[in-house]
Order: sequence, then structure tokens, then C-alpha cells
Amino acid sequence: RKEVEQDPGPFNVPEGATVAFNCTYSNSASQSFFWYRQDCRKEPKLLMSVYSSGNEDGRFTAQLNRASQYISLLIRDSKLSDSATYLCVVTRPPSGGSYIPTFGRGTSLIVHP
Amino acid sequence: EAQVTQNPRYLITVTGKKLTVTCSQNMNHEYMSWYRQDPGLGLRQIYYSMNVEVTDKGDVPEGYKVSRKEKRNFPLILESPSPNQTSLYFCASSLGAGNYQPQHFGDGTRLSIL
Repeated sequence: RKEVEQDPGPFNVPEGATVAFNCTYSNSASQSFFWYRQDCRKEPKLLMSVYSSGNEDGRFTAQLNRASQYISLLIRDSKLSDSATYLCVVTRPPSGGSYIPTFGRGTSLIVHP
Repeated sequence: EAQVTQNPRYLITVTGKKLTVTCSQNMNHEYMSWYRQDPGLGLRQIYYSMNVEVTDKGDVPEGYKVSRKEKRNFPLILESPSPNQTSLYFCASSLGAGNYQPQHFGDGTRLSIL
């Protein structure tokens, strides 16, 4: 099983739709979790951190389920500008004193008119 | 403006010709790292550095070297590049080496090794 797994998609949704992605991780000792957004051939940019109690930022909601070892990202009222690849990042426990972030391969979202 | 700057943005070169990709950040971040991104494989960490003079291997370090002589700079060195190192490279930095620190990425360097 890969350390961090995501459905590559693409998820093809109309404007205004609600869409959700999941990301599963294999190391139960993983500590911190993030969602990044990456536009084609551009650098990844932090979308939001994922907290244990779940957190919301505008139309975006992130959840963490430690028991089942996955995180989720919900996007409400999708906009055309939400079209991108969404990367999940899980930080595994220290190796030699430093936490190692592991990236999922990303989920592609296409929002169409 | 807070940023991570990589140079060059694009480079086409030939097998065996040593090259260096520079990375500089102006945020006084302790932690810096290099990734390569390949289709279907996602982002993979090459090397990271927790602070000046402290570097360590990531998941795919073979064929690469790094150095961290100053806090702001973290160059990636390919001593003898080979075609399998053709990839999109990103440098990133974060405030600390510990947990809960999101990373800031440079614009990327697209390397083609012929």
C-alpha cells in the first residue's frame, strides 16, 4: 500500500456543484496533514491545513479521520477557477530528527460551465 | 515580497555536464528541501536541510548533491546528469523542521537532459 493515496480523477463537475476528495495514508503515526493546490505546470500552493476537529475556509472544508486514516476536502459551490490538481500532504514521524512530508499524486478537478 | 526563487527556470543540457540549480528564500526559514515531480509519480523529496550545514537524504537522492552554507540558499547539484533526471524540480522552504509547518514553493525548474 502506498504511503499516501489519492484518486487521480479527473473529477468533472459543473459550476455550482459540491465535490469531495479523499486521501488515505498508511502510517498511523502521521502527525500533520495539508491540502495543496497545483495549477498546470505551476508550483504547489498551500490551500489549507487539516486539523483534528475539522476546519473550514470559505467554500472549502477539510476533515481528518484518524481511525480510518484518511483526510478529505469538500468544495462547495464550485467555480471554474477551482479547476486544478489537489495534493494531499501527510507528515510522517521523524527520521533523524525531522518530519518528512509525503505528497499524494494528486486529484485532478475540472469544473465546467 | 516573501518568496522562494529558483534559477534557472528552464534548462536543456547534455548527459554528463555538471549543473547547479540555485534556490534562495528571503523568509529566514530554517527548513529547505528539493523535490522532483514526474508524471504519474507525484512530488518526491530529493534532499532536505533542517538548518545551515545540516542536510539529509529524502526519498530519491541518487545522482544529486546539495549544500547549505547559508540559511537562505540551498543549491541542487547534478554532478553528472543523466536523461532519467529530466524532470520538473521544486525547491521549498518552511519556518521550521518540525511538524505543522506548511511549505512555500519556488516556481519550479524544468530540466531536460539529452
